[in-house]
Amino acid sequence: EDQVTQSPEALRLQEGESSSLNCSYTVSGLRGLFWYRQDPGKGPEFLFTLYSAGEEKEKERLKATLTKKESFLHITAPKPEDSATYLCAVQAAGGSYIPTFGRGTSLIVHP
Amino acid sequence: EAQVTQNPRYLITVTGKKLTVTCSQNMNHEYMSWYRQDPGLGLRQIYYSMNVEVTDKGDVPEGYKVSRKEKRNFPLILESPSPNQTSLYFCASNTGGGRSPLHFGNGTRLTVT
Repeated sequence: EDQVTQSPEALRLQEGESSSLNCSYTVSGLRGLFWYRQDPGKGPEFLFTLYSAGEEKEKERLKATLTKKESFLHITAPKPEDSATYLCAVQAAGGSYIPTFGRGTSLIVHP
Repeated sequence: EAQVTQNPRYLITVTGKKLTVTCSQNMNHEYMSWYRQDPGLGLRQIYYSMNVEVTDKGDVPEGYKVSRKEKRNFPLILESPSPNQTSLYFCASNTGGGRSPLHFGNGTRLTVT
């Protein structure tokens, strides 16, 4: 069974204090790993897709990396507007196109 | 603008009163799905559809029905809602194939009393 575990569950940072969110996964063949951002009461918004170990993607203050067992979302010099819940999802290879989501990391950045 | 549109955004109803939450996408996506999101449980898939007239159960299908008569629409039907179906619901779509990200609607907050 595919599993996705995100840590920590919650993270509080001061503005400018860089940190990383973790997404550990167990899947029988990875088709893709996805990061989403979710603001309170809104639908998740796509950030990155990673397909193979060693791949990295960047967008503004965010950088996502991927190994064979986990992915990290690095946040450099965060700002209060980066406060949100960050979700990780994996898509296994095979016939089913049902992604498995982690429970998310709630990030609060204090000014 | 490419989007997934859900209606209504908020819905309060009573136990047993049938309701439908609509979902429409304008991206010609083949794959559509419904999720519910509850505190501490994350996103759980209710039903999904690979194409018109093709639907299948997700992780938590009990008490829900769906239909896919047109490619753009994927309504969620609660025939006899119960309080344990109080939740935040999201519709999502993508091109299918497992390598494209999901596009989510803005959610429907349902309260069943």
